[in-house]
Amino acid sequence: GDSVTQMEGPVTLSEEAFLTINCTYTATGYPSLFWYVQYPGEGLQLLLKATKADDKGSNKGFEATYRKETTSFHLEKGSVQVSDSAVYFCALSDRAGGTSYGKLTFGQGTILTVHP
Amino acid sequence: EAQVTQNPRYLITVTGKKLTVTCSQNMNHEYMSWYRQDPGLGLRQIYYSMNVEVTDKGDVPEGYKVSRKEKRNFPLILESPSPNQTSLYFCASSPRVGASTDTQYFGPGTRLTVL
Repeated sequence: GDSVTQMEGPVTLSEEAFLTINCTYTATGYPSLFWYVQYPGEGLQLLLKATKADDKGSNKGFEATYRKETTSFHLEKGSVQVSDSAVYFCALSDRAGGTSYGKLTFGQGTILTVHP
Repeated sequence: EAQVTQNPRYLITVTGKKLTVTCSQNMNHEYMSWYRQDPGLGLRQIYYSMNVEVTDKGDVPEGYKVSRKEKRNFPLILESPSPNQTSLYFCASSPRVGASTDTQYFGPGTRLTVL
């Protein structure tokens, strides 16, 4: 079945440092890939997505590129801020034709803490 | 404002006492689902619904029930809660059924503790 593996956390960085959170996936079909972010005490919200190979999703300075050859969707940001402290989830949704009916399969989440 | 709402946000209960967590969306979405979030496991789908009166099991349905009598509402029912159902629960909705490219919109979460 489908699965998503994220790098182990927590990740602690100083403000303005470079961020990479690794994400790899296994899927039987041709999935769409997502990064969701969960700020303290809140629900998940979409950070960015990519729906086909070689697409790059971007938002708020974060980027991730859908790499089919390496089955990866790593999240990057060039200069993190204290306000980026949150839990980041990589997820996939397999295409119609499978039995997922739009289900999201999540990685385990990565806690990011950014210090001033 | 387009949103998914859940109630209650926090709940402490005892083993065996039936409870319902409500979920409502105001975006006319077809697809709704429930997830539970546990440390180190990410989010796992409990149940989903493709339309009114159409529901099906997700990956971890044991001990839960759902109903979809109106398009906007999708309550989660625990008829006899047990301590292993202590978790953070999220309701989510998305515009279309089976459209993997659609963004899913999440509620704020319900933190449930079963003693």
